[in-house]
Amino acid sequence: QKEVEQNSGPLSVPEGAIASLNCTYSDRGSQSFFWYRQYSGKSPELIMFIYSNGDKEDGRFTAQLNKASQYVSLLIRDSQPSDSATYLCAVDQGGKLIFGQGTELSVKP
Amino acid sequence: GAVVSQHPSWVICKSGTSVKIECRSLDFQATTMFWYRQFPKQSLMLMATSNEGSKATYEQGVEKDKFLINHASLTLSTLTVTSAHPEDSSFYICSYSPTGRHNSPLHFGNGTRLTVT
Repeated sequence: QKEVEQNSGPLSVPEGAIASLNCTYSDRGSQSFFWYRQYSGKSPELIMFIYSNGDKEDGRFTAQLNKASQYVSLLIRDSQPSDSATYLCAVDQGGKLIFGQGTELSVKP
Repeated sequence: GAVVSQHPSWVICKSGTSVKIECRSLDFQATTMFWYRQFPKQSLMLMATSNEGSKATYEQGVEKDKFLINHASLTLSTLTVTSAHPEDSSFYICSYSPTGRHNSPLHFGNGTRLTVT
């Protein structure tokens, strides 16, 4: 079982729709969770981090964490073509970040 | 936010040669930098943690004699891929955490695309 698992996609949504990206993790002791966006050929950039159960909103982005079910998700409202990228989930495991493989998101105009 | 400058952006080298990648912190002092490698369609893998003035800490399976890390100052960390082979072709990225901890928000350099022919 992978430590941090994401559906590789591609996930295709129409412009203006809500994109939902999911991530599951195996370590119940994980305390910190991060979402990074990576455009093709570029390095990752931080979108959001979340430490507590529940939702955390930042503009069009909402991170949702459910530690009991060991999943963290990222919702992107009003998706734009510029949101097309690979989204990496990263989970703290014993003081180190373990990255998922990433979900490729494609927002169609 | 913290600015991490990484050079070169891309490099092509012949098998058996060595390549040096530089990572500079432009507006902060970094006692700790992290080096990653990313193969196509795969996740980021931490290679090593670079500590200013001391030896780097390598992750399991990463050859320290092949991937030489030097962190001689608070603003510069370098990764040298020695005797490069085609299987070393990858995307190498450095990163910085303001807290110095890996499990914190990370600021990444622009990355270096290495192709070994």
